[in-house]
Amino acid sequence: DGGITQSPKYLFRKEGQNVTLSCEQNLNHDAMYWYRQDPGQGLRLIYYSQIVNDFQKGDIAEGYSVSREKKESFPLTVTSAQKNPTAFYLCASSMAGGVVRGGLFFGPGTRLTVL
Amino acid sequence: QKEVEQDPGPLSVPEGAIVSLNCTYSNSAFQYFMWYRQYSRKGPELLMYTYSSGNKEDGRFTAQVDKSSKYISLFIRDSQPSDSATYLCAMQGNSGGYQKVTFGIGTKLQVIP
Repeated sequence: DGGITQSPKYLFRKEGQNVTLSCEQNLNHDAMYWYRQDPGQGLRLIYYSQIVNDFQKGDIAEGYSVSREKKESFPLTVTSAQKNPTAFYLCASSMAGGVVRGGLFFGPGTRLTVL
Repeated sequence: QKEVEQDPGPLSVPEGAIVSLNCTYSNSAFQYFMWYRQYSRKGPELLMYTYSSGNKEDGRFTAQVDKSSKYISLFIRDSQPSDSATYLCAMQGNSGGYQKVTFGIGTKLQVIP
């Protein structure tokens, strides 16, 4: 079955630590995205990548970093510079050329909690 | 003013009722309109996807777009308890050469048996 997997489902981080969230897709989609979801704020775009070895900052990129070495994978690192990292993180993918023809496909999410 | 406005609810309806969910937007560049359903602690799933003004029907779901009023709606007929979820509207338009998607904050729906 084609889809997007995210791991881990739950992640706990101590203040000052960097953590990496995994996202893998087998939909053969060129574009991948990371969103953050907070209560009352909706989905906010962190980073996106339209092609391997290229990525762009979204609306709230500060304190985050990404890499796109393989088409299938788009890991997100939450660094210690991110001041309020506790949130639900969603990875998504779409066909080439943006989200025309079919929209975004989302993974199940990772809930990150800072202790 | 937010680009996309959506009432967060919660909205409670009895089973079998017709549900109307709505969003308004301010950006005339939005060309594509989507509705996502999100169950608690899960990722959103795409329900409906439309391009032009008018109606699009899929089973019990009807999406309506009125570009002149910058208003979109999702109607759910014969609502079921399994429809209880948060419904997100989303809109896509060109932003600096990138097809950016902007989401509403979501409306929480509860269908009571």
